Amino acid sequence: GAVVSQHPSWVICKSGTSVKIECRSLDFQATTMFWYRQFPKQSLMLMATSNEGSKATYEQGVEKDKFLINHASLTLSTLTVTSAHPEDSSFYICSVQGLTGQGATDTQYFGPGTRLTVL
Amino acid sequence: ELKVEQNPLFLSMQEGKNYTIYCNYSTTSDRLYWYRQDPGKSLESLFVLLSNGAVKQEGRLMASLDTKARLSTLHITAAVHDLSATYFCVASGTYKYIFGTGTRLKVLA
Repeated sequence: GAVVSQHPSWVICKSGTSVKIECRSLDFQATTMFWYRQFPKQSLMLMATSNEGSKATYEQGVEKDKFLINHASLTLSTLTVTSAHPEDSSFYICSVQGLTGQGATDTQYFGPGTRLTVL
Repeated sequence: ELKVEQNPLFLSMQEGKNYTIYCNYSTTSDRLYWYRQDPGKSLESLFVLLSNGAVKQEGRLMASLDTKARLSTLHITAAVHDLSATYFCVASGTYKYIFGTGTRLKVLA
């Protein structure tokens, strides 16, 4: 499977600041990247889907102006939480999907996650 | 709309015992995945089930898929403490993952 990294692993910031989280696919052409958030003891909730070079598609209820997603290359996507507030504190996980030697696949490979705490 | 339900939501069991986690999904799904998540960590892939009747085993875990019943099971045999984690069933639909609620498993020594 693909190796996916996220940076940073955890971040603490003050309310009102913006935070950028990077998701990198280290050995895999990620034509599609997904961003999830997970609150404590809950399941993962899909926030948005991004295809390389296109605008992200956001799930219902997710504010696109607050959660800016950029997928500029086949190996990098970023999620920027703008003007973060305490209710944005969560565990953010990215995943990648794309091409293998056998062609396109819908299997997703998950990053290690980023824990965001907004004070 | 594809929905995925898991049961139970929480499971506490003694070491050495067997148990099954159930996963029901509402409409046709391309694939069914099982993942494990340890506290504070991301997801670890356990199984991918591709077709009706598929059965996969890894150590003390065995997963199966019945597409006609839209049911997948994760069976735990002779549980050990190291299996304590949250287990997610995930159905795949139009290249999106739909996550189940998760089952928090706690294995008591």
